[in-house]
Amino acid sequence: GAVVSQHPSRVICKSGTSVKIECRSLDFQATTMFWYRQFPKQSLMLMATSNEGSKATYEQGVEKDKFLINHASLTLSTLTVTSAHPEDSSFYICSARERPRGLQETQYFGPGTRLLVL
Amino acid sequence: AQSVSQHNHHVILSEAASLELGCNYSYGGTVNLFWYVQYPGQHLQLLLKYFSGDPLVKGIKGFEAEFIKSKFSFNLRKPSVQWSDTAEYFCAVSGGYQKVTFGTGTKLQVIP
Repeated sequence: GAVVSQHPSRVICKSGTSVKIECRSLDFQATTMFWYRQFPKQSLMLMATSNEGSKATYEQGVEKDKFLINHASLTLSTLTVTSAHPEDSSFYICSARERPRGLQETQYFGPGTRLLVL
Repeated sequence: AQSVSQHNHHVILSEAASLELGCNYSYGGTVNLFWYVQYPGQHLQLLLKYFSGDPLVKGIKGFEAEFIKSKFSFNLRKPSVQWSDTAEYFCAVSGGYQKVTFGTGTKLQVIP
């Protein structure tokens, strides 16, 4: 089956520093990747949609200058949390969607990255 | 805009009991529906999905879900749960090429 990996799985950083999270589709090409944030005891909140070779589309309320997304290849998307603050501490999850096949598409999720900003 | 609501936030069952988790969605057009499961300490996994055809969908591990268009529902069922089914279950909906919207999740605790 389709596998999505994330690196790192856990990161602790100081306030004011930047953190980069990688999302890779291991055995398929993903024209679209999604970045979610999951707060404790809450559902996944979509932050942005990343299309290979183009700018990411951010959801309302998500600061694009704060959360930089790059989707440089069909197998890699990165999320950089710039000038991180304690309120950015969360669980970040990426998902990848294979090349479109009509309307029948499935997202495959990565294992998530736990970010703790001190 | 699409939305998903899951009625039960926390369900506790004994082993061998039957399970039904409610999911209702809101979207005016053709939808794709999903149930994802997140076991403790693990990432989200697809349990089953509905795109078209038979409204009764069978997934992994004995789970099934029924799409009832008139009720905008996609309830998840399992006739006999096991302790290993303890997890959080998310219903999700996608309209056409749109993003997937998740429900708030239902935590299932199965007592041996």
